[in-house]
Amino acid sequence: DAKTTQPPSMDCAEGRAANLPCNHSTISGNEYVYWYRQIHSQGPQYIIHGLKNNETNEMASLIITEDRKSSTLILPHATLRDTAVYYCIVRNAGNNRKLIWGLGTSLAVNP
Amino acid sequence: EAQVTQNPRYLITVTGKKLTVTCSQNMNHEYMSWYRQDPGLGLRQIYYSMNVEVTDKGDVPEGYKVSRKEKRNFPLILESPSPNQTSLYFCASSPPRGTGELFFGEGSRLTVL
Repeated sequence: DAKTTQPPSMDCAEGRAANLPCNHSTISGNEYVYWYRQIHSQGPQYIIHGLKNNETNEMASLIITEDRKSSTLILPHATLRDTAVYYCIVRNAGNNRKLIWGLGTSLAVNP
Repeated sequence: EAQVTQNPRYLITVTGKKLTVTCSQNMNHEYMSWYRQDPGLGLRQIYYSMNVEVTDKGDVPEGYKVSRKEKRNFPLILESPSPNQTSLYFCASSPPRGTGELFFGEGSRLTVL
């Protein structure tokens, strides 16, 4: 499984868009990009995932570059409740849905 | 409400005293997995199960056992806990098809003295 690189921390003003980058330069063709977040020490929460195309759901948007070597998670209007650690993970479509977790980006949304 | 339930949420125990952390999901998911989370190391997979009576080792299985006798339950067993098993443990489940999304429990914080 490919590894990912994320900045250790970021800040964002409440109400503004939060753009969280992720580098996955060794990603292979059958690997998906997943994003999860973890608030305090609660169980991680799935946000979104994609393979090639940009994706959007009620929580966020995922922008994947054309060469698939990097991606950006966008929280369009960050709130204080979005303060969390955000994990970018690449995973193949194999049967063991193991996720290789890095240390993520600690996002602080400030009032 | 769809959920993954772990018990106990918090436990302090002593070296060598066998313990079981239970995990139950009410979503009829076939896949279940255990992770541990340690500072500076992130989450690491301990064991996983593709279905009833089918289990396999993850990346850090030493010192742990699991069983999958029913689809909804996937207990994590520490036969002889040691201090290096002090950690935050998460159980997760996933449906057989769809997004591959993992649903996590709220975690069990275990301290072994």
